Amino acid sequence: KNEVEQSPQNLTAQEGEFITINCSYSVGISALHWLQQHPGGGIVSLFMLSSGKKKHGRLIATINIQEKHSSLHITASHPRDSAVYICAVPKYSGGGADGLTFGKGTHLIIQP
Amino acid sequence: EAQVTQNPRYLITVTGKKLTVTCSQNMNHEYMSWYRQDPGLGLRQIYYSMNVEVTDKGDVPEGYKVSRKEKRNFPLILESPSPNQTSLYFCASSGGRTGDYEQYFGPGTRLTVT
Repeated sequence: KNEVEQSPQNLTAQEGEFITINCSYSVGISALHWLQQHPGGGIVSLFMLSSGKKKHGRLIATINIQEKHSSLHITASHPRDSAVYICAVPKYSGGGADGLTFGKGTHLIIQP
Repeated sequence: EAQVTQNPRYLITVTGKKLTVTCSQNMNHEYMSWYRQDPGLGLRQIYYSMNVEVTDKGDVPEGYKVSRKEKRNFPLILESPSPNQTSLYFCASSGGRTGDYEQYFGPGTRLTVT
C-alpha cells in the first residue's frame, strides 16, 4: 500500500509570497494528483502529472519519479488561494484495487 | 456541464435509521468511488466500482453498502447508522483507472448521526 506524506500540515503566509507544498510517497506510481478544497466546499482536481512539470495560471506542480516526490508551488499568492491542498496517489501497484490514497492535506492561509 | 451530484448535501439522523446517499455523474464514467473525510485522518476510500455490477471494498467499508445498477448512479447505503459514521462524504468518478485519469468529485454530504 502506498503511503503519502505531505508537508507542511499548516502554512500561513502573506499575500504575494511564493508558496511550496511538498508530497512524498512510498511506492512507484503512474500519476500523482493535486487537489484543492476550499473551506466548506467541495474538492477540485488541480493537476494530474506523471513526469516533469505542469503549470496552470499561478500554480505549478512538479514531480520527481525517481525520488518519489512532488511539489505544488503558488506564485504571487492571494487570499483566494486559502484552501486545503491534498496530494493523492493511486492505491493499486500492479494489483486489482482501484482508488486513491490521500495525504492528510496542507491547510494554507494567505493573509492580505 | 460535466458534474457529479450528491444528495442530500446535509443530513442529521438518529442511530439505526437506514439512509441512502445518492451519487450521479453525467460523464459516462466507468469508475466511481465513495470516500469519507474526517479531521486528522483525511480522506479514506469506502467502496469503489469499476463498472455496472462491479463493486469492491475500499479501506473502511464496515457499516456501508453500495450498488451499481446503472452506470451513472452509485448510491451509498447505511443500513444501521452509528455515531462513528458522522463524517463528510464524497463521491468521485473518473473515465478510467483512478490513478490514471482526472478525478471529478461531488460537492459532499455532511452526515451527522446522533
